Amino acid sequence: DTEVTQTPKHLVMGMTNKKSLKCEQHMGHRAMYWYKQKAKKPPELMFVYSYEKLSINESVPSRFSPECPNSSLLNLHLHALQPEDSALYLCASSQERGAATEAFFGQGTRLTVV
Amino acid sequence: DQQVKQNSPSLSVQEGRISILNCDYTNSMFDYFLWYKKYPAEGPTFLISISSIKDKNEDGRFTVFLNKSAKHLSLHIVPSQPGDSAVYFCAASLVQGAQKLVFGQGTRLTINP
Repeated sequence: DTEVTQTPKHLVMGMTNKKSLKCEQHMGHRAMYWYKQKAKKPPELMFVYSYEKLSINESVPSRFSPECPNSSLLNLHLHALQPEDSALYLCASSQERGAATEAFFGQGTRLTVV
Repeated sequence: DQQVKQNSPSLSVQEGRISILNCDYTNSMFDYFLWYKKYPAEGPTFLISISSIKDKNEDGRFTVFLNKSAKHLSLHIVPSQPGDSAVYFCAASLVQGAQKLVFGQGTRLTINP
């Protein structure tokens, strides 16, 4: 099973709203990631969690707030977003062994900020 | 500063023939390379990977070749099938405490019947 599940699949939110994106995996992976993908662009790394601790923050604005409640779950809390934040948000997970390994992606959440 | 480049935005191949997708990188610290396939509005699907200590890895119809001296890798798909039509991303891995994947711009592959 190489499934990473993201909810919701689509989200429309206003600039004053607060919403959360959720990601779940049951592969026993201890590294989890958030990527952002704009149309016709490659995925860009936002955050990496390793053993439930934030390891990498790619200078993401504070209106994006990640959270890793346990080894299977990863959330991305959204607040006061801008229309330019509209994108496909991808969650991924991989084994954490201090070396490079395959990362498996979820289906993504298509976010539209109005 | 684009560290991973896929210079062909699109490629069209006849069904049954070989598809060759290319990728170049600039950072010699990358030590692991991956290919992903992506359909619109879906997440990338992992296809095949290769460690920097190898020069070839094969999995069924997919083979990845790595030329470290040229900082170049390629994905060969043979024979190509209509279901292979998708966008293919090359990704390079850098482990700095945690793993970072850097993606190329993608190549849209179309397999013609």
